Amino acid sequence: SQQGEEDPQALSIQEGENATMNCSYKTSINNLQWYRQNSGRGLVHLILIRSNEREKHSGRLRVTLDTSKKSSSLLITASRAADTASYFCATVYYNTNAGKSTFGDGTTLTVKP
Amino acid sequence: SQTIHQWPATLVQPVGSPLSLECTVEGTSNPNLYWYRQAAGRGLQLLFYSVGIGQISSEVPQNLSASRPQDRQFILSSKKLLLSDSGFYLCAWSRGGSSGNTIYFGEGSWLTVV
Repeated sequence: SQQGEEDPQALSIQEGENATMNCSYKTSINNLQWYRQNSGRGLVHLILIRSNEREKHSGRLRVTLDTSKKSSSLLITASRAADTASYFCATVYYNTNAGKSTFGDGTTLTVKP
Repeated sequence: SQTIHQWPATLVQPVGSPLSLECTVEGTSNPNLYWYRQAAGRGLQLLFYSVGIGQISSEVPQNLSASRPQDRQFILSSKKLLLSDSGFYLCAWSRGGSSGNTIYFGEGSWLTVV
């Protein structure tokens, strides 16, 4: 299965600390994406990293990709209470034009003020 | 800019009743369209995707069907709901044709089958 698996399942930190979430997958990918979901809402795209990239930054977010280990990490620096949400990685592979994304079960992040 | 709308936001339906969830995308043409289901505390399961009008691919056998009557309209249906159909349903779109495209999600529809 292509499914990404996030680790840990739940993470609780204090405001200002860094939060690191990991994602592992099983087969080749074209790219990997991270999404955020507030409770009961749709998913919001955070960042995309292509299979030939190793690191990408966006604001307080830093994503790494190690295709040899089939893993990715999402680092949120200087966390805020508003970062409390579930975070999902999605692996994307293409055998059709639709480029189906396969999501893991997510990491639930709680940032305490 | 592009927007995606899905409705209804919440729905409580009895077992055996029909279902219709609708989704429309604005501001783009020929998008790829998706229906996902999310169980409580879990990730997303892809149910259907479509690369064009009338072109539907099903990912998992189930009690549901999808249709794409217009370029930017995607409908999820069931003739007779089961209790196991309860969940959070998300419509999504991505730009068609090229690879590595971001998926944009609607706000979701909560379905409770009673």
